[in-house]
Amino acid sequence: DQQVKQNSPSLSVQEGRISILNCDYTNSMFDYFLWYKKYPAEGPTFLISISSIKDKNEDGRFTVFLNKSAKHLSLHIVPSQPGDSAVYFCAALNYGGSQGNLIFGKGTKLSVKP
Amino acid sequence: DTGVSQDPRHKITKRGQNVTFRCDPISEHNRLYWYRQTLGQGPEFLTYFQNEAQLEKSRLLSDRFSAERPKGSFSTLEIQRTEQGDSAMYLCASSPWGRNTEAFFGQGTRLTVV
Repeated sequence: DQQVKQNSPSLSVQEGRISILNCDYTNSMFDYFLWYKKYPAEGPTFLISISSIKDKNEDGRFTVFLNKSAKHLSLHIVPSQPGDSAVYFCAALNYGGSQGNLIFGKGTKLSVKP
Repeated sequence: DTGVSQDPRHKITKRGQNVTFRCDPISEHNRLYWYRQTLGQGPEFLTYFQNEAQLEKSRLLSDRFSAERPKGSFSTLEIQRTEQGDSAMYLCASSPWGRNTEAFFGQGTRLTVV
């Protein structure tokens, strides 16, 4: 049973517009969420994270929103750039319970067209 | 420190052979993780270490897999009697557990079993 779900395998956006990537989770014990970006033949690169005590975290062009009641988070990229084209993974963690491992979604492939 | 380092980057082996991968984490990080990623999937957790102690192993880690982290520094992942289903990208990550939870990944080892 997938605990972290990214239901959109791909997303195509025009350069300069907003990209919104979505993620849903089922385990209410998750209390920390992360987004990773991955280029082909490379390891995932950490992008941004959010604790469950917050509902928003912003870092430059990247903002993550968390809706705990809906068990949903989203990553907003504004403005989108061609270099943002990559696979984006949502990951969750039970930090308070000392669970060590990140649980990843299957990823969403973002294509930003010039 | 240039980040998490994995060796080799690519490995092609014949079915039935043993292979060993190495991971050098970021020096001050006390947690080290091994993940496996196959096409179209997110990284799947295999095992993790807190310093030299192996704290958790996934059910994905069959008896043919063994991981070590002697002295709490580098780690090795060995696969014995490789099978074609072992073909995947093997990712190592480290994190400074206790200060923050972001795990930083290496570039991975691509294993192909022929």
